[in-house]
Amino acid sequence: GAVVSQHPSRVICKSGTSVKIECRSLDFQATTMFWYRQFPKQSLMLMATSNEGSKATYEQGVEKDKFLINHASLTLSTLTVTSAHPEDSSFYICSARWGTGYSPLHFGNGTRLTVT
Amino acid sequence: SQQGEEDPQALSIQEGENATMNCSYKTSINNLQWYRQNSGRGLVHLILIRSNEREKHSGRLRVTLDTSKKSSSLLITASRAADTASYFCATVSYNNNDMRFGAGTRLTVKP
Repeated sequence: GAVVSQHPSRVICKSGTSVKIECRSLDFQATTMFWYRQFPKQSLMLMATSNEGSKATYEQGVEKDKFLINHASLTLSTLTVTSAHPEDSSFYICSARWGTGYSPLHFGNGTRLTVT
Repeated sequence: SQQGEEDPQALSIQEGENATMNCSYKTSINNLQWYRQNSGRGLVHLILIRSNEREKHSGRLRVTLDTSKKSSSLLITASRAADTASYFCATVSYNNNDMRFGAGTRLTVKP
């Protein structure tokens, strides 16, 4: 089946630093990638949608200058949390899809970010 | 933003029993999908039902969709301890191709 690799799985950083999270589709070309944020025991909140070669579309309330998303190729998208603060601590999950909305999403295993 | 709500928020049953989870949504949809998430992991796609379909089966899973009520249900028959997980519905709208998730149901199946 389709595999999405997300790295790192855990990261601890100091307040004020930046963290980059990578999301790779290993065996298919992802025309669209989605980034979600999930708080403990809660649902996934869509942060942004990115299409290869285009600028990401951010959800209302998500700061695009703080959460930089790059989707440079059909197999790689990155999320950079810039100038991280403790309130950015969360579980970030990427997902990838080939094709239209009739295609299922394939998820990475998530990144647990802790900002101290 | 989230699309809808699921109930119950938590469900605890014995192995062998059936588990039913419901999902409601607010806008018109292209299709609805159900996903499973084990704690601290990514989500796994279970089943997709299109807006013109009313029922779909996959193994021990049965999904129904009522577009007039904007609701869907997921039935897991003959549950197993390994089914313990959180289950989310997700909707894809006609206008956008993004996918929005419901609040999820945490299912616990006791052996």
